[in-house]
Amino acid sequence: DTEVTQTPKHLVMGMTNKKSLKCEQHMGHRAMYWYKQKAKKPPELMFVYSYEKLSINESVPSRFSPECPNSSLLNLHLHALQPEDSALYLCASSLWDRDGNEQFFGPGTRLTVL
Amino acid sequence: SQQGEEDPQALSIQEGENATMNCSYKTSINNLQWYRQNSGRGLVHLILIRSNEREKHSGRLRVTLDTSKKSSSLLITASRAADTASYFCATDVTGANSKLTFGKGITLSVRP
Repeated sequence: DTEVTQTPKHLVMGMTNKKSLKCEQHMGHRAMYWYKQKAKKPPELMFVYSYEKLSINESVPSRFSPECPNSSLLNLHLHALQPEDSALYLCASSLWDRDGNEQFFGPGTRLTVL
Repeated sequence: SQQGEEDPQALSIQEGENATMNCSYKTSINNLQWYRQNSGRGLVHLILIRSNEREKHSGRLRVTLDTSKKSSSLLITASRAADTASYFCATDVTGANSKLTFGKGITLSVRP
C-alpha cells in the first residue's frame, strides 16, 4: 500500500467551530508532515512528526493543533480559524533517515472557513 | 521564504516536444526533488537528486544538478497531454529532517 489517505476531502467550517483533519498511511513511514497550500502557491510546511514526536513546528498559530496518535495516523485539530486559513491542507509521509527521502502526499483536504 | 525559484513561470508546448524547466536555489542543499501537482490535488514525487550527483534519469525525465551554480533542470522528453500540471522543485537542506522548501512552481500546458 503506497497511499496516503486524507479525510475529509472538503470541509466548510465557521470561525467558532472545532474540527479535525485526518491522515493515514500504512507504508511504515516514521515521518509525517502537514502542509498548507493556498491557490496558485507552493505548499508551505506547517509541522513535522518523526517517530510520533513533533520535531518541527514552523511557527504555526496555536489555532492549529497537530496530533500523532500512532505511527500510521496524523491529525490536525482546528479551532477558531480565520477566513485566511482557507486553503488546501496536505499530509505527507516519508522514511526517516539522514539522507533525506521522497515524500508521499495525500490528495488533501480543501478547507473553507466562513 | 522560498528556497527554490523555477523558471519559466509558465510553459506551453505541443505534444511530442520536450519541456525544460529550471530551478535555482540560494543555500547549500542535501538533495533537490521535483514534484508534479495536477490541479487541486496532492503532489506526486518525480525524482530526487542528491548533492553529490550531477544527473539522474527516470523514464522520460532527466534531472541535472549544478551545485556550483545552485541550479537544477528538469527535462521531460516527448511530452504528452497528461503531463499538463504544475511542477515544483523542492530543496532539502538538512537531510535528516526531510524539511522541504518548495519553489513557486511552473505551470506546464501540453497541447494535444
